Amino acid sequence: ELKVEQNPLFLSMQEGKNYTIYCNYSTTSDRLYWYRQDPGKSLESLFVLLSNGAVKQEGRLMASLDTKARLSTLHITAAVHDLSATYFCAGRNAGNNRKLIWGLGTSLGVNP
Amino acid sequence: KAGVTQTPRYLIKTRGQQVTLSCSPISGHRSVSWYQQTPGQGLQFLFEYFSETQRNKGNFPGRFSGRQFSNSRSEMNVSTLELGDSALYLCASSLGPDWETQYFGPGTRLLVL
Repeated sequence: ELKVEQNPLFLSMQEGKNYTIYCNYSTTSDRLYWYRQDPGKSLESLFVLLSNGAVKQEGRLMASLDTKARLSTLHITAAVHDLSATYFCAGRNAGNNRKLIWGLGTSLGVNP
Repeated sequence: KAGVTQTPRYLIKTRGQQVTLSCSPISGHRSVSWYQQTPGQGLQFLFEYFSETQRNKGNFPGRFSGRQFSNSRSEMNVSTLELGDSALYLCASSLGPDWETQYFGPGTRLLVL
């Protein structure tokens, strides 16, 4: 079964600097998701990456997928306070039971 | 367009009781998935329904069950509650089973005493 690991689990960022969150997965996953969760709130979809080499960008966030390395990255450009949240990646299990397997999340805080 | 709604938002139960949670998907969405979120285990998939049929199931005991109605609304039931069932239960809807994007509801926070 698919396993998904995120790192780091905690990230204290300084405003204006760039950072990367890594999401490694263990076996074939035909798609990779990134979600954001604010404290006490539900999950907000950020990106869905479907194929090798896929890159998507929205504002200061850019996600990419390397299926050969089984790695997705979420890159943050010039961090701002509004980006403080927990970010989750999830892969879809291959085979008959196509459930989403989630990473533990990366808790981001942005300091002025 | 209204988002995914879940009721109730908060619930307190005691061990041994049972509970039913409800989820109304976005209009036109026919797939509903349920997740349990806890600080220790993170997000775990419970089950997914499409057209009133359970398509996929997570690794939870039989005390956890669900169903979907013809209007795509879904319920999940937990019988014989245990302390460890305390969690945020999230429902997500998508257009179909081979979804690209799932939209999550606000969740039901269950506390078992």
